[in-house]
Amino acid sequence: RKEVEQDPGPFNVPEGATVAFNCTYSNSASQSFFWYRQDCRKEPKLLMSVYSSGNEDGRFTAQLNRASQYISLLIRDSKLSDSATYLCVVNMMGDMRFGAGTRLTVKP
Amino acid sequence: GAGVSQSPSNKVTEKGKDVELRCDPISGHTALYWYRQSLGQGLEFLIYFQGNSAPDKSGLPSDRFSAERTGGSVSTLTIQRTQQEDSAVYLCASSLETTDYGYTFGSGTRLTVV
Repeated sequence: RKEVEQDPGPFNVPEGATVAFNCTYSNSASQSFFWYRQDCRKEPKLLMSVYSSGNEDGRFTAQLNRASQYISLLIRDSKLSDSATYLCVVNMMGDMRFGAGTRLTVKP
Repeated sequence: GAGVSQSPSNKVTEKGKDVELRCDPISGHTALYWYRQSLGQGLEFLIYFQGNSAPDKSGLPSDRFSAERTGGSVSTLTIQRTQQEDSAVYLCASSLETTDYGYTFGSGTRLTVV
């Protein structure tokens, strides 16, 4: 089993749609969690951290379920500029592990 | 510096040659990571440095790969006797001692072995 698993997609959605990505992780001792965004031929950039209580940043909401060992990212009112690959990242004692990413394309 | 700096940004080398890739982390960041990403693929962990501790080399794919970090700052990733399958983008990232806030990537070195 992979340490961090994501649905690779691609997700193709119209502008304004709501889209959700899930990610599961295998190590129950994992300590912190993140979503990164990677544009084509660019480096990954931190989108948001994921907290146990859930957290929101504008149109983006992240949730963590430790019992089930999954993380989610919800994007509301999708914009064309949201088109990218979204990477789930799990940290255990400084050892960061990346999922393979979920590709999102938002179409007009 | 303001961000993680990597050089060169692009490198084309002949099969069998050695290459050195450089990473200059954000000032004050004690943790430094190397990843590689092949075209259309996810990130593959290579090596992790944390302060003065022994590096975690568990991700290095073969003994042709090595990395060092001098003075707890700049790191060099060396690939000896390059092969075509080494072609990828090599990404460096750095973070504070705790990665509770994630870490910052450099823009990468695109290595092409011909």
